Amino acid sequence: SVLTQPPSVSAAPGQNVTISCAGSSSNVVYHYVSWFQQFPGTAPKLLIYDNTRRPSDIPDRFSASKSGTSATLDITGLQTGDAADYYCGTWDGTLGGWVFGGGTTVTVL
Amino acid sequence: QVQLVQSGAEVKKPGASVKVSCKASGYTFSNFFLHWVRQAPGQGLEWMGMINPVDGSMTYAQKFQGSFTMTWDTSTSTGFMELSSLRSEDAGVFYCARGNMGVVSIPDLIDYWGQGTLVTVSS
Repeated sequence: SVLTQPPSVSAAPGQNVTISCAGSSSNVVYHYVSWFQQFPGTAPKLLIYDNTRRPSDIPDRFSASKSGTSATLDITGLQTGDAADYYCGTWDGTLGGWVFGGGTTVTVL
Repeated sequence: QVQLVQSGAEVKKPGASVKVSCKASGYTFSNFFLHWVRQAPGQGLEWMGMINPVDGSMTYAQKFQGSFTMTWDTSTSTGFMELSSLRSEDAGVFYCARGNMGVVSIPDLIDYWGQGTLVTVSS
């Protein structure tokens, strides 16, 4: 994948997790990063857009930031229902299309 | 509310073609980008291409150029994607997804997704 994410992260309920998304000057640096949540067998759902903004139905336990070539998704107060795959994505100006990270599986211990 | 409803699962033989539809509602289809994304079995998301009904343009990911065609029908608010000369490795779940309004220069938003269409390629 053009964007690099850790394959998996895990934590106990109530703890916090951070998922990184590493890119380049062709994508993350100059374009808005989005994050998507996907449960098995279902479509991805927009979690974060424009680097840091949450759709109105997303709880504020989910937050994100971006600095240079990397973006980060934070989940605070992890809940069992947060167990899912998370993908970062953004426009790539060199490729002229969207690129996604390989996805990170969040496991709630 | 915005909805994208895709056509049902397909089972195709190698060498055949498949056409998937994506019917939009809850917004003006002709004003927004529409993207297509593939998810191979057990794999991540892979962007295939997008249409912009505003200016009639189509943009394909290099990997899919030549084997994948996007069309649309503004009168029915429906997008289509067709894969030809199917091989087993083309199988997966195909999603349509709404993007930015078509007047933007950088289509850096994908917000609403269809439910996905499973395409199986098997002899």
